Amino acid sequence: QSVLTQPPSVSGAPGQRVTISCTGSSSNIGAGYDVHWYQQLPGTAPKLLIYGNTNRPSGVPDRFSGSKSGTSASLAITGLQAEDEANYYCQSYDSSLSASNVFGTGTKVTVL
Amino acid sequence: QVQLVQSGAEVKKPGASVKVSCKASGYTFTSYGINWVRQAPGQGLEWMGWISAYNGNTNYAQKLQGRVTMTTDTSTSTAYMETRSLRSDDTAVYYCARLSPGSRDAFDIWGQGTMVTVSS
Repeated sequence: QSVLTQPPSVSGAPGQRVTISCTGSSSNIGAGYDVHWYQQLPGTAPKLLIYGNTNRPSGVPDRFSGSKSGTSASLAITGLQAEDEANYYCQSYDSSLSASNVFGTGTKVTVL
Repeated sequence: QVQLVQSGAEVKKPGASVKVSCKASGYTFTSYGINWVRQAPGQGLEWMGWISAYNGNTNYAQKLQGRVTMTTDTSTSTAYMETRSLRSDDTAVYYCARLSPGSRDAFDIWGQGTMVTVSS
């Protein structure tokens, strides 16, 4: 059972803006650990989308943006496109007894 | 280019072991750690553990401790993940992923994945 909670699904029409939340606790996001976001297209390996809460790797469109506040983080996709239909996962570090990297539960983005 | 190439699909019986390889190229292998992540069919991502390619230090997910061993061979720039006493719920795609200090310890490069099926 993941310690980072995401909505199972979000949807939007092409061109719209959607946001995905990632809710953690005082032992992970709230402790100041960075949040990273990954995009997983069907049948492929995950791809790094946002690192260090707000940073985009080279080649990632600026339609994708990340933010973090308190014990939560968010990924926003503006100008939604058909190729954005994928699963998205947040990831952080948890300093509890089982100190480890942890992933969010995942969110399926559907482009209507 | 920077890439991680994993070994091919495996089919194992319950109770057996599996060893998956992950060959790195295009960068200095010992300068980065390697994480292993698995994904059961239709499910989310599960972090399994990390190994330093510099000194072999490891950190395993608590639920897998005692059944998983991660190693590296710096002479061939290859990381390995062995899981023992396989059960049906170990059926998953297994990924290796590079840990990048330059990306605030995000997993910046991923292997293509290795399907491991556990079935009698």
